[in-house]
Amino acid sequence: DAGVIQSPRHEVTEMGQEVTLRCKPISGHNSLFWYRQTMMRGLELLIYFNNNVPIDDSGMPEDRFSAKMPNASFSTLKIQPSEPRDSAVYFCASSLETSGYNEQFFGPGTRLTVL
Amino acid sequence: AQSVTQPDIHITVSEGASLELRCNYSYGATPYLFWYVQSPGQGLQLLLKYFSGDTLVQGIKGFEAEFKRSQSSFNLRKPSVHWSDAAEYFCAVAFVSGGSYIPTFGRGTSLIVHP
Repeated sequence: DAGVIQSPRHEVTEMGQEVTLRCKPISGHNSLFWYRQTMMRGLELLIYFNNNVPIDDSGMPEDRFSAKMPNASFSTLKIQPSEPRDSAVYFCASSLETSGYNEQFFGPGTRLTVL
Repeated sequence: AQSVTQPDIHITVSEGASLELRCNYSYGATPYLFWYVQSPGQGLQLLLKYFSGDTLVQGIKGFEAEFKRSQSSFNLRKPSVHWSDAAEYFCAVAFVSGGSYIPTFGRGTSLIVHP
């Protein structure tokens, strides 16, 4: 298995532009998580989906952030408009949720720089 | 609310020396505890986890961790460090939300290994 796939790996954009980050979870996994990692705040959970349905989006910082999961094999995290303080590494992770804890498998991340 | 504290931002050890990374948690119920490792430019990888039972947990890459309820700690150890162990290490505590186990991560400890 190729693992969790994220694209792009690096994104540089200007303030005010729309940014779309993409994630393909591991085939068969039914939960998907979006995290943001910064020096100041560490690793934060933004939102997670179970069976394509958003369960908890309380970590989404502002209305400028939105996430979708149109099917079991694809998710997007969109920032519109982007701001310099959105610069961070964004991770996607997936897991197979059953009756107990199942390991989250992380993608390599997207490093976003907003100028 | 649950929280995780990793008091050491950086740890420097010589190759072959023993290692202990500290982790303290705050959680109102029985915790699920984890250690993850993040190599440069990579996502997080699970090293080991504790749910219940034996308080000494063995993980991958020769790591182990000991759960001490009285000290609210879950310290990670390795008897002999290799240069390839240089990475960022994250402790996490998980709670259940919407049927999923959601980890809260510490700020991380950066391990530097001298030859």
